[in-house]
Amino acid sequence: GENVEQHPSTLSVQEGDSAVIKCTYSDSASNYFPWYKQELGKRPQLIIDIRSNVGEKKDQRIAVTLNKTAKHFSLHITETQPEDSAVYFCAASMGKIIFGKGTRLHILP
Amino acid sequence: DAGVIQSPRHEVTEMGQEVTLRCKPISGHNSLFWYRQTMMRGLELLIYFNNNVPIDDSGMPEDRFSAKMPNASFSTLKIQPSEPRDSAVYFCASSLARARAEAFFGQGTRLTVV
Repeated sequence: GENVEQHPSTLSVQEGDSAVIKCTYSDSASNYFPWYKQELGKRPQLIIDIRSNVGEKKDQRIAVTLNKTAKHFSLHITETQPEDSAVYFCAASMGKIIFGKGTRLHILP
Repeated sequence: DAGVIQSPRHEVTEMGQEVTLRCKPISGHNSLFWYRQTMMRGLELLIYFNNNVPIDDSGMPEDRFSAKMPNASFSTLKIQPSEPRDSAVYFCASSLARARAEAFFGQGTRLTVV
């Protein structure tokens, strides 16, 4: 069945440094790749997404890249801040939305 | 719009009891998803509906789980009988039924089966 692999499961970075989270997907029919952020005790919320006809998208300190040939996509957060600490989920969609298992990001002071 | 509304927010029940979780999607959204979240397994898709019709229920763990969507503004997820391993946070999400549409999540129901 469809599968989304996400790495790493935990990531600690110094405040101000960059964080990178990587995902791979199995279903080549996937055409939409959202990223969600979930703070403790709250619901997942969309932070950025990318569509299959685009290779890269940027929104302030957040960027996503997509390599459809390799079925890879990544989230990049630059100049990390304490409020970036959360769990981040990648997902792949072809109608139904399949999530990776999440990355717990810790921003160290 | 108030967003996706789930009830109850918390549910504690004894093993063997029936549990019903409820969801009201965003008005105008015609795709609805039920997810289960645990530390070990992350966000698992249980079932999703398009225009009130179940499209894919391959994630439903076993016959104890069932889901319905009698109309565009209401869905239920039922567990009967419940077991301790069903303890998790259950999220409902909705989106427009078109390609590349953002899903909006409800606040979730934290279920504890003792």
